[in-house]
Amino acid sequence: SAVISQKPSRDICQRGTSLTIQCQVDSQVTMMFWYRQQPGQSLTLIATANQGSEATYESGFVIDKFPISRPNLTFSTLTVSNMSPEDSSIYLCSARDRGLPGYTFGSGTRLTVV
Amino acid sequence: AQKITQTQPGMFVQEKEAVTLDCTYDTSDQSYGLFWYKQPSSGEMIFLIYQGSYDEQNATEGRYSLNFQKARKSANLVISASQLGDSAMYFCAMSDVSGGYNKLIFGAGTRLAVHP
Repeated sequence: SAVISQKPSRDICQRGTSLTIQCQVDSQVTMMFWYRQQPGQSLTLIATANQGSEATYESGFVIDKFPISRPNLTFSTLTVSNMSPEDSSIYLCSARDRGLPGYTFGSGTRLTVV
Repeated sequence: AQKITQTQPGMFVQEKEAVTLDCTYDTSDQSYGLFWYKQPSSGEMIFLIYQGSYDEQNATEGRYSLNFQKARKSANLVISASQLGDSAMYFCAMSDVSGGYNKLIFGAGTRLAVHP
């Protein structure tokens, strides 16, 4: 199965700034996904990113706040823009993989906004 | 809309005993996949087991088995011979093809504590 390297693993950021999270996959994958996990909560899908097309955002998430890039089949970035303390969460990327497990996850980025 | 329900916010089990984590789902699709993931305090998502909607046999992976009851729309995870390292959050998830993308949706999760 694919292996995803996600960085940074954690960061503490000032409100009003932006953070870009990167995910590198060790093989080509068609679909990548970005999730947010607020403290004590489950994973919520932010958007689906396909190479060569605009990301598809879920209800409640907008491109201005969470711009996503997918320049090729092995890489994607998520930016959390104009951060506020409410953005403090774990952000996880995932890739649709052939075979099991079917969906592989990065190790997550633990973001704290102060 | 598809939905995953995990009704147990927390569960306790004695080391070496078995435990069942509940998961029910709602979908109008005929073809779907059900997944269980483990999330330790480090935050990573560890895949445990998968069950396809057309699989007739319940899935098993080592100490993990999935009790799949299609008519009841339930996919409970059974962990046998619990170990202290099993203490973590456990998420049930289902593949959702609505909107044209095969994405995963997650239940609320169950926090499992294994006691010595």
